[in-house]
Amino acid sequence: DADVTQTPRNRITKTGKRIMLECSQTKGHDRMYWYRQDPGLGLRLIYYSFDVKDINKGEISDGYSVSRQAQAKFSLSLESAIPNQTALYFCATSDGGAVYNEQFFGPGTRLTVL
Amino acid sequence: QKEVEQNSGPLSVPEGAIASLNCTYSDRVSQSFFWYRQYSGKSPELIMSIYSNGDKEDGRFTAQLNKASQYVSLLIRDSQPSDSATYLCAVKTGGYNKLIFGAGTRLAVHP
Repeated sequence: DADVTQTPRNRITKTGKRIMLECSQTKGHDRMYWYRQDPGLGLRLIYYSFDVKDINKGEISDGYSVSRQAQAKFSLSLESAIPNQTALYFCATSDGGAVYNEQFFGPGTRLTVL
Repeated sequence: QKEVEQNSGPLSVPEGAIASLNCTYSDRVSQSFFWYRQYSGKSPELIMSIYSNGDKEDGRFTAQLNKASQYVSLLIRDSQPSDSATYLCAVKTGGYNKLIFGAGTRLAVHP
């Protein structure tokens, strides 16, 4: 079974729609992250959370919101989707107690906003 | 703005050769460095971590770190067509385990 899962894996939606992307993990990690990836731009951090009560903005949080429902679940919402939010979205986790806190990625969600 | 720079490639090497991938970073206080491999349409997969100056070897992979020059590299020995992928360099910065990623270098290993 996958340690980090994301749903849906693919989504096509229209401008102005609300979209939620979900991430679940069975690794027991306390830290979770949301990234987006665009061609030629690499991975950019949207939001991160170090525990259920800790939510922090990343470098590109405008237009996005998150919810940490439990240690194992971290959701990303687009309140009103726009075409330039078309991208590949990745959830990642890390163990805050580990020495080097390597991050491990889920399989990704490909989002297309028309 | 803290940056991580990589040559976008493609870097083309023949099967069996050594592939050398390079990365420079701007934040002098960075302490942890990571290499991820990403196949097209797939998620990044951690292949190497390095924290101390010098070389770290793991199978066919060797990571090299030079903090004075703010430079980290990845060598892949005996390159195989299955190594063809984009390699992402990531640098841990700040106190919150935030990773800054380079845009990646595309490696193509041809038979």
